[in-house]
Amino acid sequence: EPEVTQTPSHQVTQMGQEVILRCVPISNHLYFYWYRQILGQKVEFLVSFYNNEISEKSEIFDDQFSVERPDGSNFTLKIRSTKLEDSAMYFCASGSGEGRKLFFGSGTQLSVL
Amino acid sequence: DAKTTQPTSMDCAEGRAANLPCNHSTISGNEYVYWYRQIHSQGPQYIIHGLKNNETNEMASLIITEDRKSSTLILPHATLRDTAVYYCIVRVYSGGANNLFFGTGTRLTVIP
Repeated sequence: EPEVTQTPSHQVTQMGQEVILRCVPISNHLYFYWYRQILGQKVEFLVSFYNNEISEKSEIFDDQFSVERPDGSNFTLKIRSTKLEDSAMYFCASGSGEGRKLFFGSGTQLSVL
Repeated sequence: DAKTTQPTSMDCAEGRAANLPCNHSTISGNEYVYWYRQIHSQGPQYIIHGLKNNETNEMASLIITEDRKSSTLILPHATLRDTAVYYCIVRVYSGGANNLFFGTGTRLTVIP
């Protein structure tokens, strides 16, 4: 079965540094999402992306965050200046034109020191 | 989106049916019921969804009451690999992006 691939699986960074989390969605999918999960807490929606633009974002997704689909296959989440509270597991997801079913990647564990 | 209420945790014996309830008493007519699960710290996994009718697929069955105020996810023969957190999510879907908002879910433990 096709799957969403995320790299790296673990990322450690210093506070204030920029990080880019990468995702390769399923190839014929049109809708892309980022979620995050702080240890022991709920899975939280960050942003959805369609047709090369953000379709919806949560309050968490402030000016420090940005998303991009730089080519036909990758979907990235950039955090400009990381804070300690950005430490979390970040999940990428994609959905087809039908949209209802989301497929999630296995996540990138981001640790900000 | 309508709020959902799920038990915090449940146990089920291996090989038995696991019945996971969800209350969504304020659901509106165009809101779908979705079920996802999260095994350990992996990404959530889609299980099933429905609007009004009961649904079945290779993973589970979804029973929605006639008034749509509650639903039950049934795993017919639970295995140890079904131990996970199960999320019931209610969401309007009118085409386009389908942003889902996860609650705290039910932690199902399948016991040998």
